[in-house]
Formats: sequence, structure tokens, C-alpha cells
Amino acid sequence: KNQVEQSPQSLIILEGKNCTLQCNYTVSPFSNLRWYKQDTGRGPVSLTIMTFSENTKSNGRYTATLDADTKQSSLHITASQLSDSASYICVVSGGGADGLTFGKGTHLIIQP
Amino acid sequence: DAGVIQSPRHEVTEMGQEVTLRCKPISGHDYLFWYRQTMMRGLELLIYFNNNVPIDDSGMPEDRFSAKMPNASFSTLKIQPSEPRDSAVYFCASSLGGARVSYEQYFGPGTRLTVT
Repeated sequence: KNQVEQSPQSLIILEGKNCTLQCNYTVSPFSNLRWYKQDTGRGPVSLTIMTFSENTKSNGRYTATLDADTKQSSLHITASQLSDSASYICVVSGGGADGLTFGKGTHLIIQP
Repeated sequence: DAGVIQSPRHEVTEMGQEVTLRCKPISGHDYLFWYRQTMMRGLELLIYFNNNVPIDDSGMPEDRFSAKMPNASFSTLKIQPSEPRDSAVYFCASSLGGARVSYEQYFGPGTRLTVT
């Protein structure tokens, strides 16, 4: 069964600090991995999409890494801002379909 | 572009009633996806369409759920009869192509459904 596991479930850090969120997956065959940001009461918004051949991708202060051999990904947030407070969801495409398998997300709170 | 539009934004109904959720995808997008989000299960794919044709409905929980896409600019998700366990946020998303080839999916604001 296709699965995506994220850790930690929740995280609180001070504004200006860095943090790293983790994602492990068992989706096969693998097509691509995405990180989404979801603000409270809003739909998810894409941060990065990575294919098998990409191991690092950045979007401003967000940097995602992918290790397709170990089936792990991470999302690093640099110099956090209050607006980074949100849920971050790891999503994997694969399994022979055009749908996506979602992790349950990491709830990140940035404190001033 | 207005993005993906969903209506209503909030729906409260009694158990046993029929509920219809609506979605207007981004113009020109060939794929449309319906998702459900709950605290316990997170986001789950219910069904998706390509060029108005349902491709995979294996995520639809049971026969009480049905989805249609009569044309490229409109889709509905219907629950009949509704049950309290259907309470969730339902998202519609659209994209230019399939997820397997890394096309971006754009999500609507969601419909929060409460069944009492």
C-alpha cells in the first residue's frame, strides 16, 4: 500500500530560526515528490516538485531534498518568519496513477 | 485568472439529506481532482477526471458518493444520503496534466461540510 509518513507531527520554533521537516514514503513506482504549504482554512499551495533525478530544489527560503534510494525527503526552512506558520504536507505521485498520496503533514508554529 | 472556484464554502446539513458540492477548474486545465481532508486521515484523493472523463474513482468511499463533470468548466460531487462521518473539508484541484509528469495542481479554497 502506498504510504507517506511525516515527522514531527508538530513543531514550535522561534522566529528567525531554521528547521527541517522529514518525509518517508513507500509509493512505488515513484514519479515525483511534492511539498505543499497549507495555511489554516485554505487549500494547499505547492512549494516544490522533485523528480527521481533531482536531489535538491529551492524556492526562496524553502529547500527540499530527495533521496530516492532511501525514499526520504526533507524540507528545510531558513530564517523562519511568522508567515511560515502553517501545515507542511509531503505528497508523492506514483503507484501507476495520476493521483497523489498525501502525508498527514507537520504543523509548524513560528513564535515571535 | 480567478483560480479554482468552489461553492459553497460552508455547508451544514442534517443526516440523510443530499449534498452537492461544486467546482469550476482553471480554464484550460484538462485534469480535475476531488479530495477530502479530515484531521484523522489527512488529505485523500476521491476521484479524478481527464478531459471530463472519470479516470480513477477508487477513492470514493461508497455508493453514496458520486461525481460528474458535464463539461470542461464544471464538476459536482454529490453525497446522498449524507452521514455525520462525511463531515470534512472537500477540495477540488485542477492541473494542465497528470501528476505523474510533475504538473502542478492548483487547489480551490475548499468546502467545509458539517453533517449533523
